Amino acid sequence: GDSVTQMEGPVTLSEEAFLTINCTYTATGYPSLFWYVQYPGEGLQLLLKATKADDKGSNKGFEATYRKETTSFHLEKGSVQVSDSAVYFCALSDRGDYKLSFGAGTTVTVRA
Amino acid sequence: DTAVSQTPKYLVTQMGNDKSIKCEQNLGHDTMYWYKQDSKKFLKIMFSYNNKELIINETVPNRFSPKSPDKAHLNLHINSLELGDSAVYFCASSLSRTQGEQYFGPGTRLTVT
Repeated sequence: GDSVTQMEGPVTLSEEAFLTINCTYTATGYPSLFWYVQYPGEGLQLLLKATKADDKGSNKGFEATYRKETTSFHLEKGSVQVSDSAVYFCALSDRGDYKLSFGAGTTVTVRA
Repeated sequence: DTAVSQTPKYLVTQMGNDKSIKCEQNLGHDTMYWYKQDSKKFLKIMFSYNNKELIINETVPNRFSPKSPDKAHLNLHINSLELGDSAVYFCASSLSRTQGEQYFGPGTRLTVT
């Protein structure tokens, strides 16, 4: 079945540091890939997505590139802010199977 | 306007009780979902409805029963609540059953004592 593996947290960074959260996936088909973010006390929000190989999703300074050869979709941000403190979820949706399969989530804390 | 709303936001109840959580979306989406998030933040899909028809029913105790009176609403009823049901429950919706992008509600934190 489909699955997503993302790096374990928690991750603690200083403001303006570089953030990378690794995500790899297993899928039987050709999935769409997503990063969702959950701020404290809130629901999940879509951060970015990519629907085919080599697509780059980007939003709010975050980027992730769909790498079919390495089955990866790593999330990066060049300079984090305190407001980026949240839980980040990598997810996939396989074509024809309309479920979202989520990774375990990575808690990121950014200190001033 | 809130896109996906849930009520209540917090629910504290005793073991054995029956409770319901309501969800409404005003996005005109066809497909709605219920997820359970445990204390370690792990998210698992429970149910999905497409145009009021059940399309996903994961391995969930039959004490949990979803009901979709119309495609804008998906409610979750839980009978005989157990301690292990304590979690945050999220409702979500998507444009269609093949659309992976989902919009989430703010969550309902259920605490069973």
